[in-house]
Amino acid sequence: GQQVMQIPQYQHVQEGEDFTTYCNSSTTLSNIQWYKQRPGGHPVFLIQLVKSGEVKKQKRLTFQFGEAKKNSSLHITATQTTDVGTYFCAAFPRGGQGAQKLVFGQGTRLTINP
Amino acid sequence: EPEVTQTPSHQVTQMGQEVILRCVPISNHLYFYWYRQILGQKVEFLVSFYNNEISEKSEIFDDQFSVERPDGSNFTLKIRSTKLEDSAMYFCASSEDTGSPLHFGNGTRLTVT
Repeated sequence: GQQVMQIPQYQHVQEGEDFTTYCNSSTTLSNIQWYKQRPGGHPVFLIQLVKSGEVKKQKRLTFQFGEAKKNSSLHITATQTTDVGTYFCAAFPRGGQGAQKLVFGQGTRLTINP
Repeated sequence: EPEVTQTPSHQVTQMGQEVILRCVPISNHLYFYWYRQILGQKVEFLVSFYNNEISEKSEIFDDQFSVERPDGSNFTLKIRSTKLEDSAMYFCASSEDTGSPLHFGNGTRLTVT
């Protein structure tokens, strides 16, 4: 079935350093979503990307969707301790009216040394 | 802001027992989901539900699992005969429309002993 591969699995940075997580699919995606899960918490929706080559920003977070709509990235500039958590990309194997199975990547767990 | 609520927050049960996990989705949402997450691992899709029937289900969602929307507000997941490997965090989620972002509840931690 549809898989979204996410790397790295873990990332440890010093506070103030940048962080990037990458998501790849073997097939073209209709859209991609990003979620953040704080330790002990539940996934919280961050953003959805739909268009080829789309770039969206939320403060220090930059999200990109590849031109071929097969990959995506999340980049955090100058990490802060509040950024700690696991970041998941997620996609629907079948877009449109069949989009009722959101498949999550393995996630990247970000830890930060203050 | 409206939210998805789940009860109980923690459920301990013996192997072979039945459990029912409960969820109240956001009131104007039409699509409902159950996911599970074994500690430290990925968020795994179990089932989606729309218009009072299952839309999609994963290989994990076998005959031991069932979902129900018994009234206008609750959405339940039943595991008929729990196994040790069913121990996990179970998340309920809902969305407004197909393809829309999912809103997750806080989860029910199920421990099977």
